[in-house]
Amino acid sequence: DGGITQSPKYLFRKEGQNVTLSCEQNLNHDAMYWYRQDPGQGLRLIYYSQIVNDFQKGDIAEGYSVSREKKESFPLTVTSAQKNPTAFYLCATRRASGQNEQFFGPGTRLTVL
Amino acid sequence: GNSVTQMEGPVTLSEEAFLTINCTYTATGYPSLFWYVQYPGEGLQLLLKATKADDKGSNKGFEATYRKETTSFHLEKGSVQVSDSAVYFCALIFTYSGGGADGLTFGKGTHLIIQP
Repeated sequence: DGGITQSPKYLFRKEGQNVTLSCEQNLNHDAMYWYRQDPGQGLRLIYYSQIVNDFQKGDIAEGYSVSREKKESFPLTVTSAQKNPTAFYLCATRRASGQNEQFFGPGTRLTVL
Repeated sequence: GNSVTQMEGPVTLSEEAFLTINCTYTATGYPSLFWYVQYPGEGLQLLLKATKADDKGSNKGFEATYRKETTSFHLEKGSVQVSDSAVYFCALIFTYSGGGADGLTFGKGTHLIIQP
């Protein structure tokens, strides 16, 4: 069963705690992306990675960190430095060079209490 | 910087009505353009795309034409169904000469409601 897996679907954390969101893909796509979605805001880019062991900041990287140790995995850590972490987080992948469509996972809704 | 502007929602239509959702963009150069659809509680699904001026993307009865002169990519459907109710996002991306690409730039989304 191919695709993009984000787990868990719902996540609750106390304020001040770091939390890591999982994104796994078995599509053999090279690039992976993290977006944040807030009501009425559309999606905004947090971090992205074009190849293993390399990643770049997006438009709203402050308070977040990522790693890309394997092609299949791109976890996102929401740190206590992120002022408003409650949001819907979406992971996406893109095929090899020259293909510009991105494919999205089902998302994780993070609520910080 | 790059930006995408979509018409504000919600847009409420009766079943079998004609749909237009406006999308315009601001960018330096000629990006690829996309429409994505999101159903409640789910991720985004690619609906259609166009990669150069005058290209028409189409899928499931939806169409959009890349208009360079008006920097627009309006989404249309001739006869909507209740199942088309969702949030629709217009987006753009630039691809580098080497084939890599940054992230998508999205509009804020348009919530479409189709009534029976």
